[in-house]
Amino acid sequence: AQRVTQPEKLLSVFKGAPVELKCNYSYSGSPELFWYVQYSRQRLQLLLRHISRESIKGFTADLNKGETSFHLKKPFAQEEDSAMYYCALTGSWGKLQFGAGTQVVVTP
Amino acid sequence: DGGITQSPKYLFRKEGQNVTLSCEQNLNHDAMYWYRQDPGQGLRLIYYSQIVNDFQKGDIAEGYSVSREKKESFPLTVTSAQKNPTAFYLCASSMGSGRDQPQHFGDGTRLSIL
Repeated sequence: AQRVTQPEKLLSVFKGAPVELKCNYSYSGSPELFWYVQYSRQRLQLLLRHISRESIKGFTADLNKGETSFHLKKPFAQEEDSAMYYCALTGSWGKLQFGAGTQVVVTP
Repeated sequence: DGGITQSPKYLFRKEGQNVTLSCEQNLNHDAMYWYRQDPGQGLRLIYYSQIVNDFQKGDIAEGYSVSREKKESFPLTVTSAQKNPTAFYLCASSMGSGRDQPQHFGDGTRLSIL
């Protein structure tokens, strides 16, 4: 069975500090992994996906198959990064399996 | 403005009543999805449709029903059989149902029981 675990419900960081959101997954095949973000009063939206190997808004995420992880990182957090972040995985077709989410609060 | 439109934003249901949540998209996407969001549980898949006139049960389909008569529409009915319907419901769509296809989400409907 596929599963996504985000161990931190809440992550509070200071502006300018590095931030790392942890995501671990279990899936028997080769997964497709995503990070989705929901800013206050906005709809859930795609932040980045591992297949693109891109950096969006300063965030990067590396797929580590050995550790079955897809942690999201940003070297210098900004106040506008405060949001709810969801790690998600697709298995055999387009069905998304979401983690429980991590609320990030960036304080000045 | 292109995208996914969910209505209503807030919905109240009486005991024993069926209610229908609307989801419309003008993105010309083939696949559509319904998720339920509860605090601390992330999003869970209720139903999905990969193409018109076809849909499949997700992880928590009991007490829900859907239809997909048109490409742009995927309404969700919460029936009286759903014993704990109070939740936030999100509709999504994607161009295809391939594994690498990102999903686009609506603003959601919050359902409460009177």
